[in-house]
Amino acid sequence: EVQLVQSGAEVKKPGATVKISCKISGYTFTDYYMHWVQQAPGKGLEWMGLVDPDDGEAIYAEKFQGRVTITADTSRDIAYMELRSLTSEDTAVYFCATGVVPLAYWGQGSLVTVSS
Amino acid sequence: QSALTQPASVSGSPGQSITISCTGTNSGVGNHNLVSWYQQHPGKPPKLMIYEGSKRPSGVSNRFSGSKSGNTASLTISGLQAEDEADYYCCSYAGSSTWVFGGGTKLTVL
Repeated sequence: EVQLVQSGAEVKKPGATVKISCKISGYTFTDYYMHWVQQAPGKGLEWMGLVDPDDGEAIYAEKFQGRVTITADTSRDIAYMELRSLTSEDTAVYFCATGVVPLAYWGQGSLVTVSS
Repeated sequence: QSALTQPASVSGSPGQSITISCTGTNSGVGNHNLVSWYQQHPGKPPKLMIYEGSKRPSGVSNRFSGSKSGNTASLTISGLQAEDEADYYCCSYAGSSTWVFGGGTKLTVL
């Protein structure tokens, strides 16, 4: 059974950096891309980017380019999403998602609150 | 990467059918069949309901079906049930290894 377990909620101050983890099990980590998706309170889903765990190459949405880094640690089967220069608009739940069908399996979400 | 366009809300009575549209561009929805649909209940992660335009994952009710015409993909839910009340999102491959979501549609079962 494919499972994605994300790290817990975070509270950050404006200007800070947050790094969220996504631990996988039930499949070979390098078989599927790992995507990250943002969902602000009461808002829709926004695709942030993906990483190919096999070679570490990451692709980012234009909106987040330059402020986000998505990585994969194949020794621990964990994907990470780091978001820098946080503002209140980054307050959101962040999901990791994967699958041979893209975004078939989702983590439970990690709430990031940005507040001074 | 422009978001896909979905109606903000749709509604229907139990037993009825509803259709949610998802309109993209020629380089997105219109250029391939890599469109997925997700159901999201409050406080839960999205659940894949349809992939590659019209395929259903194992375990998803056959009351859910997907189709496409030109630049518009559609999700149809037949025999509406109370538990279908949720937010629905389409998602499409947008080229160059990027993906884009629709703005979401709130389904109300009257």
